[in-house]
Amino acid sequence: DAGVIQSPRHEVTEMGQEVTLRCKPISGHNSLFWYRQTMMRGLELLIYFNNNVPIDDSGMPEDRFSAKMPNASFSTLKIQPSEPRDSAVYFCASSLLSRGNEKLFFGSGTQLSVL
Amino acid sequence: DAKTTQPTSMDCAEGRAANLPCNHSTISGNEYVYWYRQIHSQGPQYIIHGLKNNETNEMASLIITEDRKSSTLILPHATLRDTAVYYCIVRVGYGNKLVFGAGTILRVKS
Repeated sequence: DAGVIQSPRHEVTEMGQEVTLRCKPISGHNSLFWYRQTMMRGLELLIYFNNNVPIDDSGMPEDRFSAKMPNASFSTLKIQPSEPRDSAVYFCASSLLSRGNEKLFFGSGTQLSVL
Repeated sequence: DAKTTQPTSMDCAEGRAANLPCNHSTISGNEYVYWYRQIHSQGPQYIIHGLKNNETNEMASLIITEDRKSSTLILPHATLRDTAVYYCIVRVGYGNKLVFGAGTILRVKS
């Protein structure tokens, strides 16, 4: 299995532009998580989905952020408009729902720089 | 989810056992203890988890105290490649979110 695949690996954009980050979870997994990591705030959970349904989006910083999971094999995290303070590494992770035995598998992340 | 407390950093000699402690005094009966690590510039990696009993896998051992208020992750023979940030997380099982704290920076030195 190729693992969780995120694209792009690096994204440099200008303030005000729209940014779309993509994630392909591991085949067969039915939970998907988006995290953001910065030096100041560490790893923050933004949103997670179970069976393609958003369960908890309380970590999404503001209305500029949105996430979708149209099917079990694809998710996007969109920032519109982007701001310099959105610069961070964004990780996607997936897992298989299982009582007490859920292991999250993380992708390699997208390094986002907003100038 | 219950809050965890970990030391900010630890050093370990290469080839020796690394023992990483974690306090979770407010843990509930249905909350699991998970350990992940993050090697520089990579995504976090699952290590091990447990509920009540001690657990061992190919990467590490997890020792949970009888009252479940603390646990220790043991890397039996640390190598330089084990240098990473180690996160202890307690979480209710089945479909719930995993919230990361600051973790412990483990430096393995030759």
